[in-house]
Amino acid sequence: EADIYQTPRYLVIGTGKKITLECSQTMGHDKMYWYQQDPGMELHLIHYSYGVNSTEKGDLSSESTVSRIRTEHFPLTLESARPSHTSQYLCASSGNLTPLHFGNGTRLTVT
Amino acid sequence: DAKTTQPTSMDCAEGRAANLPCNHSTISGNEYVYWYRQIHSQGPQYIIHGLKNNETNEMASLIITEDRKSSTLILPHATLRDTAVYYCIVRPHFGNEKLTFGTGTRLTIIP
Repeated sequence: EADIYQTPRYLVIGTGKKITLECSQTMGHDKMYWYQQDPGMELHLIHYSYGVNSTEKGDLSSESTVSRIRTEHFPLTLESARPSHTSQYLCASSGNLTPLHFGNGTRLTVT
Repeated sequence: DAKTTQPTSMDCAEGRAANLPCNHSTISGNEYVYWYRQIHSQGPQYIIHGLKNNETNEMASLIITEDRKSSTLILPHATLRDTAVYYCIVRPHFGNEKLTFGTGTRLTIIP
């Protein structure tokens, strides 16, 4: 039933590489969110968007950046990956009258 | 700065009703109470939401106190597959607001 897709599901990459985590939704939702979650820990909001060309930083400071050029697409980019970026990244979307829909996440490991 | 507080963990015997409390004493009039759960490291899954009336669906029941300052999620006949972290959040249906998750309640169903 997933209408929100994250790729890749798993990523292992070396320090200093640039990476982009993809998130797409087919529900026409205006609002999209990125959360970061370490194993067994709580979800931390790192970025969110209310619509096209709107991006805001969340509660947890992050070296990543996001863009929202199209409604359905909300990619997250790390210009230079470091081991401290190792975590799970969860994307979500919602409309005004709908619950949050989450993707299955990208588990990133930076070596 | 989550707007809700929940117990860190709870146990429940298989087949019994699991009652998960949530305090949201600063909830405003236009904010709904939402419940999600996260199994292992999958993306959180929507369970139920309500404004002021009690709600029931195929997954659970939601009881909201008359003053709306607290609520209880009820899983009527808990199974082992209900073992998960359960999150209670408050959000308006309309308007733009970043959505913050607290630490949630880790529910363990005991065989």
